[in-house]
Amino acid sequence: GAVVSQHPSWVICKSGTSVKIECRSLDFQATTMFWYRQFPKQSLMLMATSNEGSKATYEQGVEKDKFLINHASLTLSTLTVTSAHPEDSSFYICSAIAGVYNEQFFGPGTRLTVL
Amino acid sequence: RKEVEQDPGPFNVPEGATVAFNCTYSNSASQSFFWYRQDCRKEPKLLMSVYSSGNEDGRFTAQLNRASQYISLLIRDSKLSDSATYLCVVKSTGGFKTIFGAGTRLFVKA
Repeated sequence: GAVVSQHPSWVICKSGTSVKIECRSLDFQATTMFWYRQFPKQSLMLMATSNEGSKATYEQGVEKDKFLINHASLTLSTLTVTSAHPEDSSFYICSAIAGVYNEQFFGPGTRLTVL
Repeated sequence: RKEVEQDPGPFNVPEGATVAFNCTYSNSASQSFFWYRQDCRKEPKLLMSVYSSGNEDGRFTAQLNRASQYISLLIRDSKLSDSATYLCVVKSTGGFKTIFGAGTRLFVKA
């Protein structure tokens, strides 16, 4: 199947700093990528849909000024958590659609811990 | 009501057991259905798609009942390695909006 990578795989930062997470489609082009957040023992919650060359579409309740998304190329989308706080600590996962059946492939996730 | 609801779990079963998970969805216009598996601290991975005619992949059988708006996953001859969280996933018309169920945890014990 298609491969989606994320970087970094984990990050620990101080409260108030900004953290950038990269999501790459390695062997295919993705005009659309998705960003999810998952808290412990909960399911994935869609944060936003990232569209190449245009603004991201955010889900209700997700602050677009806090979670900046940039989809500058067909293989790269970035999520920047600005002024991170401990409550932003979570598992962030990106995904992209690929294949004739529109299967969704996930990146390995980034575990963010804000101290 | 949640858009996608799953059995609460956790399911604790012995090796070799048969276990079934159910999932219901609220949007009758939903088009695509999947079961994903997620191991602890890992990303979800596609287990199988679910078709109206039902489909089988080895020990796993998935079925879709559009009239009742539910999806099922049957695992036969459970292995220790089947221990994971199983996510029911529904895609809306157009295939881009994906809704995940909360997941059902399965523990298979020796």
